[in-house]
Amino acid sequence: DIVMTQSPLSLPVTPGEPASISCRSSQSLLHSNGNDYLDWYLQKPGQSPQLLIYLGSNRASGVPDRFSGSGSGTDFTLKISRVEAEDVGVYYCMHSLRTLFTFGPGTRVDI
Amino acid sequence: QLQLQESGPGLVKPSETLSLTCTVSGASISSSSYYCAWIRQPPGKGLEWIGTIYYSGSTYYNPSLKSRVTISLETSKNQFSLKLNSVTAADTAVYYCASGIAAAALLGLDFWGQGTLVTVSS
Repeated sequence: DIVMTQSPLSLPVTPGEPASISCRSSQSLLHSNGNDYLDWYLQKPGQSPQLLIYLGSNRASGVPDRFSGSGSGTDFTLKISRVEAEDVGVYYCMHSLRTLFTFGPGTRVDI
Repeated sequence: QLQLQESGPGLVKPSETLSLTCTVSGASISSSSYYCAWIRQPPGKGLEWIGTIYYSGSTYYNPSLKSRVTISLETSKNQFSLKLNSVTAADTAVYYCASGIAAAALLGLDFWGQGTLVTVSS
């Protein structure tokens, strides 16, 4: 089974400043089709999770461009260029390689 | 744009079967364009993937739950369902249904229900 880890698990942020979350997988998420099967989700307080980034670096529809995803293989990063107050919540990475999905433990982002 | 809505009992007795339905509107889930999943979140904890079903009916389950889980499609009603048998208190969680676009690759779970709390207790 592929194990997902995230760091940090808690991230205090300052509005207007950048922020970064790391996600690592125990095995490469690079598919033979050239895509990395790694997604990022944000769960705002009291809400359902929402998709931010799919296939490692593609912003989902309606996601502000201050969010970006990068990385390949086993190391991935979610960056927020300038944090806004509405960005607080828990960020999860999730792999979907080989038909089995696994979420990371989550990173709590607070102002 | 899909809308998803979970429904089912909020209270299940230990050793019984948890049954939930996700009703989808906005598109047909029998289309090869979509894949559907169930995810759960115990109180105060993180997200746990339960399983996924594709338009073909193929299913894939979390190995830790595989012996107790069944996910199925009911295309005539544009629904998919979750059954988890032999439940214990550890299965108490908010259960989410979610769906995403399956093209040449899986484009993330872009559509989520609001979640439904299921408590396992006698």
